[in-house]
Amino acid sequence: DAGVIQSPRHEVTEMGQEVTLRCKPISGHNSLFWYRQTMMRGLELLIYFNNNVPIDDSGMPEDRFSAKMPNASFSTLKIQPSEPRDSAVYFCASSSGGSTEAFFGQGTRLTVV
Amino acid sequence: SQELEQSPQSLIVQEGKNLTINCTSSKTLYGLYWYKQKYGEGLIFLMMLQKGGEEKSHEKITAKLDEKKQQSSLHITASQPSHAGIYLCGADVGSGYALNFGKGTSLLVTP
Repeated sequence: DAGVIQSPRHEVTEMGQEVTLRCKPISGHNSLFWYRQTMMRGLELLIYFNNNVPIDDSGMPEDRFSAKMPNASFSTLKIQPSEPRDSAVYFCASSSGGSTEAFFGQGTRLTVV
Repeated sequence: SQELEQSPQSLIVQEGKNLTINCTSSKTLYGLYWYKQKYGEGLIFLMMLQKGGEEKSHEKITAKLDEKKQQSSLHITASQPSHAGIYLCGADVGSGYALNFGKGTSLLVTP
């Protein structure tokens, strides 16, 4: 398996623009996580899906952030409109559920100017 | 929300030396995950600990969860340059998945 695949790897956008980050989890995994990593706050859980259903979105910072998982092999994280403080590395991770290890993608480095 | 404190924040050790990284929680940990992150890359799973007093080893890395399940330590024996990176602990507070992570410990191993 190719692991968790995220795209794009790098994104530079202007403030106010819409940004969409994409994730393909490992086939067969039923849990998917979106995390955000910054120097100041470390790694924060944004949202957790189980069987394509959002279970915990308490980490989503604002209404500007939204996440979807239309099927078991694809998820998106959208920021609209983007702001400079959204600049961070966004990670997607998947697991087979329960207390098992989560596999992380390589991340998307987002820069909002 | 669950908060995990890692210490030290950064560490520079000479190759061949031993080192320990700590992860402390103010609440009971139902599962504790250790990951390693190379600069600019994703996280690589190292070990998961669930039971108080549990200890696991992989190559030269050993992790332990204390009896009270509120602290974990990661010990590296005879460090090598390949051990360099950021080590993060993540905590399960009963949901069955890693919810929060510590801010990480940056390790540099010098020749």
